[in-house]
Amino acid sequence: NSKVIQTPRYLVKGQGQKAKMRCIPEKGHPVVFWYQQNKNNEFKFLINFQNQEVLQQIDMTEKRFSAECPSNSPCSLEIQSSEAGDSALYLCASSPDPSQNTLYFGAGTRLSVL
Amino acid sequence: GDSVTQTEGQVTVSESKSLIINCTYSATSIAYPNLFWYVRYPGEGLQLLLKVITAGQKGSSRGFEATYNKETTSFHLQKASVQESDSAVYYCALTGDTNAYKVIFGKGTHLHVLP
Repeated sequence: NSKVIQTPRYLVKGQGQKAKMRCIPEKGHPVVFWYQQNKNNEFKFLINFQNQEVLQQIDMTEKRFSAECPSNSPCSLEIQSSEAGDSALYLCASSPDPSQNTLYFGAGTRLSVL
Repeated sequence: GDSVTQTEGQVTVSESKSLIINCTYSATSIAYPNLFWYVRYPGEGLQLLLKVITAGQKGSSRGFEATYNKETTSFHLQKASVQESDSAVYYCALTGDTNAYKVIFGKGTHLHVLP
């Protein structure tokens, strides 16, 4: 079973509402990734962190999406104003270091924007 | 561009029969692609099934095998005798040797094993 814990498993929001999801990475993994998997099963990288610092992020993330990984707290991904097109499975993954390209995934948060 | 194409949709196989899930890749911007098979069992997160980083090498895990073929740009997943517990969604993926953020996934193949 996955050691990356994501909550909640399901999230339902209306358009324009905030949507926030959390991730506890595997113990000892300072690198955290967020991916979005859409209804066509396509994966999109959103952002990654090493400890509390952002390593890479895509343009979409810089606008309505915000993410953080504070020390001693779960990482989070928040959508400020949800849109129907944000409905997807959001996957958190962790890694023991940036050069390690094997990812350890959580079960995901399925967001439905009505 | 970089892409992964795999057998799409659902594959149904009877228990104890053999399985092959096709995967081909294109890695025009990645000098040394590493190839992966991830699996998602019902209710669980994606987990690594096997990984091969060197062309010509074969990876194996839980009875599954895949060979990294640079000539045909393929990484097909095979198993000689499937079990009902193998029912899951399988994803072929590639990445650079050190850059995990640029992971390119296929769209997944849902394997349904009939008892």
